[in-house]
Amino acid sequence: EDQVTQSPEALRLQEGESSSLNCSYTVSGLRGLFWYRQDPGKGPEFLFTLYSAGEEKEKERLKATLTKKESFLHITAPKPEDSATYLCAGTNDYKLSFGAGTTVTVRA
Amino acid sequence: ETGVTQSPTHLIKTRGQQVTLRCSSQSGHNTVSWYQQALGQGPQFIFQYYREEENGRGNFPPRFSGLQFPNYSSELNVNALELDDSALYLCASSSQRGAEIGTQYFGPGTRLLVL
Repeated sequence: EDQVTQSPEALRLQEGESSSLNCSYTVSGLRGLFWYRQDPGKGPEFLFTLYSAGEEKEKERLKATLTKKESFLHITAPKPEDSATYLCAGTNDYKLSFGAGTTVTVRA
Repeated sequence: ETGVTQSPTHLIKTRGQQVTLRCSSQSGHNTVSWYQQALGQGPQFIFQYYREEENGRGNFPPRFSGLQFPNYSSELNVNALELDDSALYLCASSSQRGAEIGTQYFGPGTRLLVL
């Protein structure tokens, strides 16, 4: 059965303090690894898609990387507006299998 | 370009009742997927519709059913509501072309509370 595990569950950062979120997956025949950002009470907002090991994508202070077993979301010099829950999801066909998310709180 | 919209935003029902949730897909998208998200958890896949046919289903009982219409909008119906059905219901639309994996874009969700 496909499984996606995220760690840590929660992360409290000082503004400017860089860190990384981990997403390990066992998705047979992975065809895509997705990262989303979710604010409280709202739907997930798409950030990145990674298709193959070694791929990297960047957007502002966020950078996502993918290996054969896990993905990392690096947050560089975070700001309070980066506070959110970050979800990763893997797919091998039509459905996304999500992890439980990492809730990031950035203090000014 | 209009994003994914869902209605209603909030809903309160009692155990045993039936509920219908609605979703309008993003312009140009032909596929709709539904997810259930319990508090503090990641979304769980319910089912997907492509060209008005169910394209795949997660581990949910038959009382969860759906429809997709010719304009690609969709409904999720839940019969005989249970307390555990209380959750945020998310609709996501994507554009499927052959074997290509399309990115799923989510709506704001419908918060369902079952009393």
